[in-house]
Amino acid sequence: AQSVAQPEDQVNVAEGNPLTVKCTYSVSGNPYLFWYVQYPNRGLQFLLKYITGDNLVKGSYGFEAEFNKSQTSFHLKKPSALVSDSALYFCAVTSWGKFQFGAGTQVVVTP
Amino acid sequence: GAGVSQSPSNKVTEKGKDVELRCDPISGHTALYWYRQRLGQGLEFLIYFQGNSAPDKSGLPSDRFSAERTGESVSTLTIQRTQQEDSAVYLCASSSHSSTGELFFGEGSRLTVL
Repeated sequence: AQSVAQPEDQVNVAEGNPLTVKCTYSVSGNPYLFWYVQYPNRGLQFLLKYITGDNLVKGSYGFEAEFNKSQTSFHLKKPSALVSDSALYFCAVTSWGKFQFGAGTQVVVTP
Repeated sequence: GAGVSQSPSNKVTEKGKDVELRCDPISGHTALYWYRQRLGQGLEFLIYFQGNSAPDKSGLPSDRFSAERTGESVSTLTIQRTQQEDSAVYLCASSSHSSTGELFFGEGSRLTVL
């Protein structure tokens, strides 16, 4: 069985401050981890993924994520948040082809 | 087209009617996924296809839901005898590889059951 948890329903941050969105996972076998973003009334857009190799993964729009095997985490980060980053963020894990998504974290960036 | 295409984009139906939702994946993508997203909620896995076969149907909520894929291309999700709780956005995604390839999502089909 595989699962992914996003412990925060919402994250509030002021523009220009660092942004972190948390994700932990549980999977048998090697995890393949993904982050997606959903803007209002839109489908999901891919941000970045970890398959193997360097634990720090860089993705679209200045986002990055760090894979931590011992803590089974894959937190999404951005050094300086923008108001336009306000959206719903989903972490996902797959090991055997079935993508399991977290419940999502709403990010609100205030000017 | 260049992306995943879903139709209809919006569907309003009466309780008890059948509906069919269509997904046209990116050409060459072997994996295809269906998810359901209720208002303000996360993504609920329904089914995924590898080629034309469905290794995992565990997410289908009831026997009123069925899906098929033909020609390793278009997929249809059919909901029979719709209920109000079926109201949601149904998202389709495709991938070039079932494990390591990222999913490309369509804009979704918004279903409203009156």
